[in-house]
Amino acid sequence: GIQVEQSPPDLILQEGANSTLRCNFSDSVNNLQWFHQNPWGQLINLFYIPSGTKQNGRLSATTVATERYSLLYISSSQTTDSGVYFCAGGSQGNLIFGKGTKLSVKP
Amino acid sequence: GAGVSQTPSNKVTEKGKYVELRCDPISGHTALYWYRQSLGQGPEFLIYFQGTGAADDSGLPNDRFFAVRPEGSVSTLKIQRTERGDSAVYLCASSLSYEQYFGPGTRLTVT
Repeated sequence: GIQVEQSPPDLILQEGANSTLRCNFSDSVNNLQWFHQNPWGQLINLFYIPSGTKQNGRLSATTVATERYSLLYISSSQTTDSGVYFCAGGSQGNLIFGKGTKLSVKP
Repeated sequence: GAGVSQTPSNKVTEKGKYVELRCDPISGHTALYWYRQSLGQGPEFLIYFQGTGAADDSGLPNDRFFAVRPEGSVSTLKIQRTERGDSAVYLCASSLSYEQYFGPGTRLTVT
């Protein structure tokens, strides 16, 4: 099956800093999504992005499908950005999740 | 409208017992998904429904796990003869298209 590798596994930022999270896939996917799991465990859908670039406020994501990777950019980070960021991919509805990047934003 | 809801939020059961976990998807969402998440890991796919039928149940770990969605809305995940290794957070998601929206999960503890 598809393998999903996320990096870095942990990230500590000072409030206001920018960061880039990466997700590599072992095979092509046509369904790729990024999620944020807040400290209370709720998973929030950030982007559906099988290819191209999308932006939503301080967050943006880029997927290069031909090279099987995706990037999530967080700009001007805030303490509320803390939590675990997951990417997930698959061919249809059965998403395979990576192990996540745990982000801590310090005030 | 309301988001995905799951009941109960917490369930403690003894090894060998039967449990049912319920998921109410977002109104109008045709697809419904079950995942489970162990501590420190990403969610692991179990099964997904398109309408009333299971479109993909390849993630169910064994025949002790079963899920239904009889009217194409609410779904129930059923676990027979629970084992300590079944302890996890069980997550439900629904979608109208590709984007999946998750509920708060049911934390299952098997003692």
